[in-house]
Amino acid sequence: DIQMTQSPSSLSASVGDRVTITCRASEGVSTSLAWYQQKPGKAPKLMVYAASRLDSGVPSRFSASASGTDYTLTISSLQPEDFATYYCQQYFSPHFTFGPGTKLDIK
Amino acid sequence: VQLQESGPGLLKPSETLSLTCTVSGDSISNYYWSWIRQPPGKGLEWIAYTGYSGSTNYNPSLKSRVTISADTSKNQFSLSLTSVTAADTAVYYCASPKSQSNNCFDYWGQGILVTVSS
Repeated sequence: DIQMTQSPSSLSASVGDRVTITCRASEGVSTSLAWYQQKPGKAPKLMVYAASRLDSGVPSRFSASASGTDYTLTISSLQPEDFATYYCQQYFSPHFTFGPGTKLDIK
Repeated sequence: VQLQESGPGLLKPSETLSLTCTVSGDSISNYYWSWIRQPPGKGLEWIAYTGYSGSTNYNPSLKSRVTISADTSKNQFSLSLTSVTAADTAVYYCASPKSQSNNCFDYWGQGILVTVSS
């Protein structure tokens, strides 16, 4: 199965900061990569699909890109509502796999 | 699209977990519909999907204990997990894909906490 790793596992930042989260696939997944945001007690919310396409309603301060087997999610200016855990997921293989998550909290 | 999980919230070790996801706003005959779980304080794990003409696919780590099925007449799909242990304690979500070509999860149920305890 395709393994997904994320770095960092946790990140402390302040409102207004620019942050980048990285996801790496153990083998090529093309652009079949999604990012989710999850807040405590809630279901994950799809933020990005096809590696770089923002889902409907996702603020433009979010952006995503891909390079080889590395994928990044960037938040250009953190807002209070952005503090959450972020997961990547590959859907290139029919055995879908998630990254372990990056917890973004307030410094 | 709305999804709603239902089923028992408490099981004893060795019992079988049975959950149902009721879908409204789309037909389960379209796309692939998945179950995903999340142990308390941990990450997400995809379990299985069903879709298109009854096709199924399972997480290899759970395949020996899992069955996913669909009832198109009720627009529901179900999960069965046998011989549960405390390690199966988790919030179980059902989810639908964004599109035929993007099998990431666009709509999620609210989740149901299943606790395995003697």
